[in-house]
Amino acid sequence: DAGVIQSPRHEVTEMGQEVTLRCKPISGHNSLFWYRQTMMRGLELLIYFNNNVPIDDSGMPEDRFSAKMPNASFSTLKIQPSEPRDSAVYFCASSLVPAYNEQFFGPGTRLTVL
Amino acid sequence: QQQVKQSPQSLIVQKGGISIINCAYENTAFDYFPWYQQFPGKGPALLIAIRPDVSEKKEGRFTISFNKSAKQFSLHIMDSQPGDSATYFCAARGEAAGNKLTFGGGTRVLVKP
Repeated sequence: DAGVIQSPRHEVTEMGQEVTLRCKPISGHNSLFWYRQTMMRGLELLIYFNNNVPIDDSGMPEDRFSAKMPNASFSTLKIQPSEPRDSAVYFCASSLVPAYNEQFFGPGTRLTVL
Repeated sequence: QQQVKQSPQSLIVQKGGISIINCAYENTAFDYFPWYQQFPGKGPALLIAIRPDVSEKKEGRFTISFNKSAKQFSLHIMDSQPGDSATYFCAARGEAAGNKLTFGGGTRVLVKP
């Protein structure tokens, strides 16, 4: 099992540019989560999907952030336009519904916005 | 609003010592309390978890103690080893929140040889 796959692993971009982060969950998992980790705010849940449907996006910071899950094996998190304060490590995680199942995290994407 | 408060923020312990990390929560609807371990450059990984129907759970050198009335739970790492040096996150989940976990702020543990 390859685990949760994220790409790119590192992204450096300039303010105002569009950034797209990608995630492939573990095969068979039907819940997918996007988290952001910073020193100041810790680990924050941005959005999560069950069966490809967004369930809770209350953590999405603002309209510049959007997430999609077109099918069970792929999700994207897009930031447009990016700002320096978006610099963070973004994690994707997947799990099985129902709850109480372990969330498996990917290796993360380190985003730097100059 | 931080619903799970974790302390301390950092911890230094000698090899062989006991590391203790504490978490407190406010939402009485929480019913699942996992701990995640994160090494530098990696994503968090589940370490151990507890449901509120038990007061303690032990897996190897790692023990969760749970106090439902005080709304607190803690992680004890016995015989701490340098390989345990990592950041530890407590978390909580409530049925009404679906699969959503609320994480504590994290504790960076350094075990000195």
